[in-house]
Amino acid sequence: DTGVSQDPRHKITKRGQNVTFRCDPISEHNRLYWYRQTLGQGPEFLTYFQNEAQLEKSRLLSDRFSAERPKGSFSTLEIQRTEQGDSAMYLCASSLNGVEAFFGQGTRLTVV
Amino acid sequence: QKEVEQNSGPLSVPEGAIVSLNCTYSDRGSQSFFWYRQYSGKSPELIMFIYSNGDKEDGRFTAQVDKSSKYISLFIRDSQPSDSATYLCAVNEGYSTLTFGKGTMLLVSP
Repeated sequence: DTGVSQDPRHKITKRGQNVTFRCDPISEHNRLYWYRQTLGQGPEFLTYFQNEAQLEKSRLLSDRFSAERPKGSFSTLEIQRTEQGDSAMYLCASSLNGVEAFFGQGTRLTVV
Repeated sequence: QKEVEQNSGPLSVPEGAIVSLNCTYSDRGSQSFFWYRQYSGKSPELIMFIYSNGDKEDGRFTAQVDKSSKYISLFIRDSQPSDSATYLCAVNEGYSTLTFGKGTMLLVSP
């Protein structure tokens, strides 16, 4: 499978716990994006990387959120001290030079 | 604040109908325009993108952009029950990030 891969697909966590998600982009893609989607809404931009550089962060990305792409390949998104409002689908997408973006299957986070 | 507006629907049509889906956007700097399809519980899947004014056709799908009115359309010919999904439009300025609408739910009945 040469598409965007996300892990885990589902995560249930207790409020206050930390969680980390992983995204493996399409191999030749230099740009990687994180979005969040809640029920009935379109995806909302969180952050994006060009290679290993984090070029833009949304105001939605509070200080509890951090993302890395250490070698310009896979990326991780960590949420510290999770809150119920963090429950959502977290989507990763990748593109080559910002043209078409292809999404992974997403990680569905439920905070209980 | 960039905004993309879509009617949430649902839009219900019989099989074989021509479907028209529309979006408006706020940012005059938007340069490229995208349509994604999202089945329930799945991630968005890219259908088409278009960079300029005018039409672009791909099989049963036609995308249209009118930059003067900041209006984007997607037409689906000969609609099928398998087209039942939520359709998301998205825009971006240059080659940065996408701003999505909330999506329009389409239901095609056999």
